[in-house]
Amino acid sequence: GNSVTQMEGPVTLSEEAFLTINCTYTATGYPSLFWYVQYPGEGLQLLLKATKADDKGSNKGFEATYRKETTSFHLEKGSVQVSDSAVYFCALSGVDSGYALNFGKGTSLLVTP
Amino acid sequence: EAGVAQSPRYKIIEKRQSVAFWCNPISGHATLYWYQQILGQGPKLLIQFQNNGVVDDSQLPKDRFSAERLKGVDSTLKIQPAKLEDSAVYLCASSPSHSREQYFGPGTRLTVT
Repeated sequence: GNSVTQMEGPVTLSEEAFLTINCTYTATGYPSLFWYVQYPGEGLQLLLKATKADDKGSNKGFEATYRKETTSFHLEKGSVQVSDSAVYFCALSGVDSGYALNFGKGTSLLVTP
Repeated sequence: EAGVAQSPRYKIIEKRQSVAFWCNPISGHATLYWYQQILGQGPKLLIQFQNNGVVDDSQLPKDRFSAERLKGVDSTLKIQPAKLEDSAVYLCASSPSHSREQYFGPGTRLTVT
């Protein structure tokens, strides 16, 4: 079945550092890939998405590229801010699961001034 | 556009009691999902509706959990009787038909003592 594996946290970075959160997936067919973010005390928000191989999703300075050859969708940001502190979830959606989302376990990011 | 509404936001009950959660999806969204998010984990699908029909309830513990979506709009999720391991955040999400993008509500945090 479909599954997502993402790097474990917590990740602690200083402000303006480079961020990478690794995500790999297992799926049949051609899933869509997502990054969701959960800020403290808030609900899940879609951060970015990619629907086919080699697509790059981007939003708020975050980027991720759908790599079918390595089954990966790593999240990157060139310069993190304190306000980026949150939990980040990688997820996939496939037609064989009725478009329901399979989530990774989440990676907690703490950015310090 | 109003988002996905859920109530209550918080609920504390004793084990063996019953509890119900309510979700009102975004207007016009045919697909509705209930997810369970245990602390420190990613959300896990419990049940998916398309209009008022069930698409997937394979991960719903049917001996104690039930859900319905009468008239294809609002939905309720019930647990009876609750167990300690049911302590989690219950998330409702909705999406337009055949869309891979889901919109999440704020969730209901359930604590079973």
